[in-house]
Amino acid sequence: EAGVTQSPTHLIKTRGQQATLRCSPISGHTSVYWYQQALGLGLQFLLWYDEGEERNRGNFPPRFSGRQFPNYSSELNVNALELEDSALYLCASSEDGGGTDTQYFGPGTRLTVL
Amino acid sequence: AQSVAQPEDQVNVAEGNPLTVKCTYSVSGNPYLFWYVQYPNRGLQFLLKYITGDNLVKGSYGFEAEFNKSQTSFHLKKPSALVSDSALYFCAVRDEGTYKYIFGTGTRLKVLA
Repeated sequence: EAGVTQSPTHLIKTRGQQATLRCSPISGHTSVYWYQQALGLGLQFLLWYDEGEERNRGNFPPRFSGRQFPNYSSELNVNALELEDSALYLCASSEDGGGTDTQYFGPGTRLTVL
Repeated sequence: AQSVAQPEDQVNVAEGNPLTVKCTYSVSGNPYLFWYVQYPNRGLQFLLKYITGDNLVKGSYGFEAEFNKSQTSFHLKKPSALVSDSALYFCAVRDEGTYKYIFGTGTRLKVLA
């Protein structure tokens, strides 16, 4: 069974640009979560999508947004990039987002903002 | 508010010796606890979870964790460490209201040959 996939692996942008990161969940999983892993700050929750709807978001500014498509894949958009947005962005999926489901993580997208 | 603490930034252990990576938690309801491992430039790999039941949870790669309600701890253990176990380990608790995971700051495990 294929795991969670993310693209691109690396992304280099300049300050002020926009970045789009993509995630495909494990087949059969309907929930997708996004996390930011910045150096020295650990893993911070960004967004949760389930059945195409945004269910919850973390303490990040509105320029971090995303969506979930009918096939449950998801994209994360970061507008007006700032230097401190440089981080590893991890996507995770779970079967239905509730209960005791385990989140399974993808390999991440390393975003570098110059 | 839910929180997780990993008091050690780094743990060093000799190959073949038992290892323990510590985690304590604070939750307002039932604790749903997880351990993940991260190898360099990789995503997180699920090791094990505690939902309910036996306090000793067995997971992948020979790891296990002991849930202790009175001490609010969920320490990760392995009887005999391997050099290949060297990685970054994260403890997480699931927030009951939002279902998001709240992660500890991570503990770097270094197993010395």
